[in-house]
Amino acid sequence: AQSVTQLGSHVSVSEGALVLLRCNYSSSVPPYLFWYVQYPNQGLQLLLKYTSAATLVKGINGFEAEFKKSETSFHLTKPSAHMSDAAEYFCAVTTNDYKLSFGAGTTVTVRA
Amino acid sequence: EPEVTQTPSHQVTQMGQEVILRCVPISNHLYFYWYRQILGQKVEFLVSFYNNEISEKSEIFDDQFSVERPDGSNFTLKIRSTKLEDSAMYFCASRQDLEAFFGQGTRLTVV
Repeated sequence: AQSVTQLGSHVSVSEGALVLLRCNYSSSVPPYLFWYVQYPNQGLQLLLKYTSAATLVKGINGFEAEFKKSETSFHLTKPSAHMSDAAEYFCAVTTNDYKLSFGAGTTVTVRA
Repeated sequence: EPEVTQTPSHQVTQMGQEVILRCVPISNHLYFYWYRQILGQKVEFLVSFYNNEISEKSEIFDDQFSVERPDGSNFTLKIRSTKLEDSAMYFCASRQDLEAFFGQGTRLTVV
């Protein structure tokens, strides 16, 4: 079975600062990895996905993530935070069964 | 852009009552899912559905739960005899290839 661990349930950053959200995965077979964002009272929106092509994946809203097999990591970054980035972020993993296993989520707050 | 739609957005029900949560997946998608998120907890897989039958279900998905695709567009989750601990946000998702598209969710409150 596959799983993900998100390090840090809350991250607070200043506007314009780097956003770094950590995700480590566990999988016995090559995984597919995703980052989803959830704004208050809304559903889950896909930010980006890793599907065994390029290890550096670019997503929407200026986010990107790098798949590092040696570290079993898929950390999400954004060079410069914007107030609109305040949301909850979920890392998720799946394999050939396409059933998503989510991390516990990281809430991002952005300080003006 | 095509999207998954869920109704209602919020439902309050009394303990012991039956509820049906409705989803309209993206039209050309073949795989359908229900997930739930209890307040403050992670999103959990409930069930997957393909070719008019359940393909996988979690241990959460016991006899209290059932899913159905009654026609060519709707995908429903029925919860019989709701319990307080069924209170959660329920998400429907559908996919054609690798990417799953999620609905906005139905917030179920059991009182």
